[in-house]
Amino acid sequence: GAGVSQTPSNKVTEKGKYVELRCDPISGHTALYWYRQSLGQGPEFLIYFQGTGAADDSGLPNDRFFAVRPEGSVSTLKIQRTERGDSAVYLCASTLQGIANTEAFFGQGTRLTVV
Amino acid sequence: DAKTTQPNSMESNEEEPVHLPCNHSTISGTDYIHWYRQLPSQGPEYVIHGLTSNVNNRMASLAIAEDRKSSTLILHRATLRDAAVYYCILRGAGNTPLVFGKGTRLSVIA
Repeated sequence: GAGVSQTPSNKVTEKGKYVELRCDPISGHTALYWYRQSLGQGPEFLIYFQGTGAADDSGLPNDRFFAVRPEGSVSTLKIQRTERGDSAVYLCASTLQGIANTEAFFGQGTRLTVV
Repeated sequence: DAKTTQPNSMESNEEEPVHLPCNHSTISGTDYIHWYRQLPSQGPEYVIHGLTSNVNNRMASLAIAEDRKSSTLILHRATLRDAAVYYCILRGAGNTPLVFGKGTRLSVIA
């Protein structure tokens, strides 16, 4: 595709349920990032993949959050036992390589609402 | 990543130039200065980046102080579509993610 695609665009779930959020990066981009953004705040880093492996998962808030990228392209962010505090916009970005001199491309985000 | 400081908000008249400042006094020699913006209900969008020299592209110009402790994003002619939150981010060498602060909310008045 032309850009980073995230699905679904909106997700409403009940407290305690499990959700999966999908990110399709730009073809050929080896680095993929997940962020979470609450209202009025800047995006908060969650996890970064270089290829299939998680290069940095220091931003994941707790063990209810997990992400995979099994074939080095599509990534899924998984949230178990969702809580109302997990409500936010989840953003995905990709770059050609994970180096400082490259531009990151962001998707439109998935708005997660936990009721 | 080193920290950046930006004003919370700024206002500009349409068709006037806008200078968005960013202080980064603890920048290291290998940190790139990146600017992204986020329009309402959109994901962040790349604007420009640089290391030491001033940079120009179709969207904006980036002026970097000689000591690299500050930089300024310049929009040459603000339009209503430029109303967004602008983030100044330092990105270190190696595989490091972008770390966002709160940015500057730019309002453009017709």
